[in-house]
Amino acid sequence: DAMVIQNPRYQVTQFGKPVTLSCSQTLNHNVMYWYQQKSSQAPKLLFHYYDKDFNNEADTPDNFQSRRPNTSFCFLDIRSPGLGDAAMYLCATSRGVGDSVNIYGYTFGSGTRLTVV
Amino acid sequence: TQLLEQSPQFLSIQEGENLTVYCNSSSVFSSLQWYRQEPGEGPVLLVTVVTGGEVKKLKRLTFQFGDARKDSSLHITAAQPGDTGLYLCAGGDLGNEKLTFGTGTRLTIIP
Repeated sequence: DAMVIQNPRYQVTQFGKPVTLSCSQTLNHNVMYWYQQKSSQAPKLLFHYYDKDFNNEADTPDNFQSRRPNTSFCFLDIRSPGLGDAAMYLCATSRGVGDSVNIYGYTFGSGTRLTVV
Repeated sequence: TQLLEQSPQFLSIQEGENLTVYCNSSSVFSSLQWYRQEPGEGPVLLVTVVTGGEVKKLKRLTFQFGDARKDSSLHITAAQPGDTGLYLCAGGDLGNEKLTFGTGTRLTIIP
């Protein structure tokens, strides 16, 4: 089945040690998004790629970076994780073109739970 | 800035009861989507409504889009423990690849 896969499901990292989370998709969707979600809260958009075009949210800290080397993969890099960065990180995709987001919405991965020790 | 406020924020009810969750905004949206997120998983799209006044049913779940396309409701009949989760509404705009997510409703169904 076509899907969005996030690896790893659980990641423990040390305070200040760079960490990379990965997301892959077999849907051939144009847009890939990274969200941060803290317990029982709504997801907060960090940034998204529309094809190769990177779109950062104004309030996303510089500590968070992203790479999209090809259509299928997108990475979230946290350069110096702090305790406040512990959260669930969700990757999502959409076709993006025309009215597709309105009609078909996003497809989310299962998320990566990040713990900072 | 578009905002979607959901109410209630938390809801805990007994199995078999009915409930309604609300999603409200001062902004007009082209579409309104509802997602359910189970613990430890990503959100899953339940339904999309695009026409003002539209009503969609998904088994025991009934979704309605307000006439002015500024609000939506989700009604669950005879709630089951499997309905437990975080319910998120999300508003879409024509030609915009970003959705605006609501503040979320954490629903717990007690067996």
